[in-house]
Amino acid sequence: ETGVTQTPRHLVMGMTNKKSLKCEQHLGHNAMYWYKQSAKKPLELMFVYSLEERVENNSVPSRFSPECPNSSHLFLHLHTLQPEDSALYLCASSRGGATQETQYFGPGTRLLVL
Amino acid sequence: GDSVTQMEGPVTLSEEAFLTINCTYTATGYPSLFWYVQYPGEGLQLLLKATKADDKGSNKGFEATYRKETTSFHLEKGSVQVSDSAVYFCALSGSARQLTFGSGTQLTVLP
Repeated sequence: ETGVTQTPRHLVMGMTNKKSLKCEQHLGHNAMYWYKQSAKKPLELMFVYSLEERVENNSVPSRFSPECPNSSHLFLHLHTLQPEDSALYLCASSRGGATQETQYFGPGTRLLVL
Repeated sequence: GDSVTQMEGPVTLSEEAFLTINCTYTATGYPSLFWYVQYPGEGLQLLLKATKADDKGSNKGFEATYRKETTSFHLEKGSVQVSDSAVYFCALSGSARQLTFGSGTQLTVLP
């Protein structure tokens, strides 16, 4: 596989569940990102990892917990979510952490919280 | 802080029509500007970018010129195709270490 892959593509969970989103990049990049895309709102950056170190955390609630075990994999652990957390969660990667560099996006995980 | 304002959609055009999607921005310093496209069921793809004033980014028949005097980066295409139907996002990278996106413009091209 090439590019950025995300699993699962769709997820339905209750507010008391714990689940994880997975992202994998096959591009040899050193920076990875989590974004939230809600209907009729701009893309919101959630987390940035550069060389496996978290460098940005944009005031995201603690019910979202990222993990970057190596430069190719990024996880987003979810627990006790709220219905307003339903959205498309996009992962992206770039060669470095500079924002002038092109970010390559995965197809996203469509999350529905009931 | 940095912000991006895009024209609201949806935009519906007939095939071979001329396309303009307006984008204006607010940023300190000299941001880089981007257009990303999101096809149905997919993630975002970089369409084009410009890193300094008066630069023109172009790709797949789309163009956008970085206009510092009007703080704009409007996307244009002379003749759209049905396959151009997608959501288009304007974005900038400025003083903050992140991309700031507009809210997106849905384009539908009818045959």
